[in-house]
Amino acid sequence: GAVVSQHPSRVICKSGTSVKIECRSLDFQATTMFWYRQFPKQSLMLMATSNEGSKATYEQGVEKDKFLINHASLTLSTLTVTSAHPEDSSFYICSAADRGIRNEQFFGPGTRLTVL
Amino acid sequence: AQTVTQSQPEMSVQEAETVTLSCTYDTSESDYYLFWYKQPPSRQMILVIRQEAYKQQNATENRFSVNFQKAAKSFSLKISDSQLGDAAMYFCALSGGYQKVTFGIGTKLQVIP
Repeated sequence: GAVVSQHPSRVICKSGTSVKIECRSLDFQATTMFWYRQFPKQSLMLMATSNEGSKATYEQGVEKDKFLINHASLTLSTLTVTSAHPEDSSFYICSAADRGIRNEQFFGPGTRLTVL
Repeated sequence: AQTVTQSQPEMSVQEAETVTLSCTYDTSESDYYLFWYKQPPSRQMILVIRQEAYKQQNATENRFSVNFQKAAKSFSLKISDSQLGDAAMYFCALSGGYQKVTFGIGTKLQVIP
């Protein structure tokens, strides 16, 4: 089946620093990738939709200057949390859509970000 | 806008018994997809089952089946012969025309040995 990886799986950083999270589709090409945020015991909240070669589309309330998304190739999207603060601590999950399987997304294992 | 509602925050089932998780949704799309995802403690999202809205036949995957009532906008998940490994958070999800997925708040399923 389709596999999506995320790196790192866990990161701890100091307040004010930037953190980059990578999302890769390993065995398929993903024209679209999605970034979600999940707080403890809550559902997944879509942050942005990332299309290869174009600007990401952010959901309402998500700061695009704080959460920078780049989708430079059909297998890689990155999320950079700039000037991280403790309130950015969360679980970030990416997913990738296989253009051959309509409307199905494959999820990465997630990245736990802790900002001190 | 599309919404997904799961009204059961927690459910429990005896091992080997059957349990049904409820989900209702709303969408203005005529063509859409419905999913049930499982999120175990590892937090990896796992697709359990999917249903294309244009198909009248309910989807089944081994011990997992759905009851899709399109007119009522209801999409429940039935787990038969429950196993300890089924314990997890279950999210109902809806995807419309642009693959954007909306998730419900989840149901925590406990399986009692």
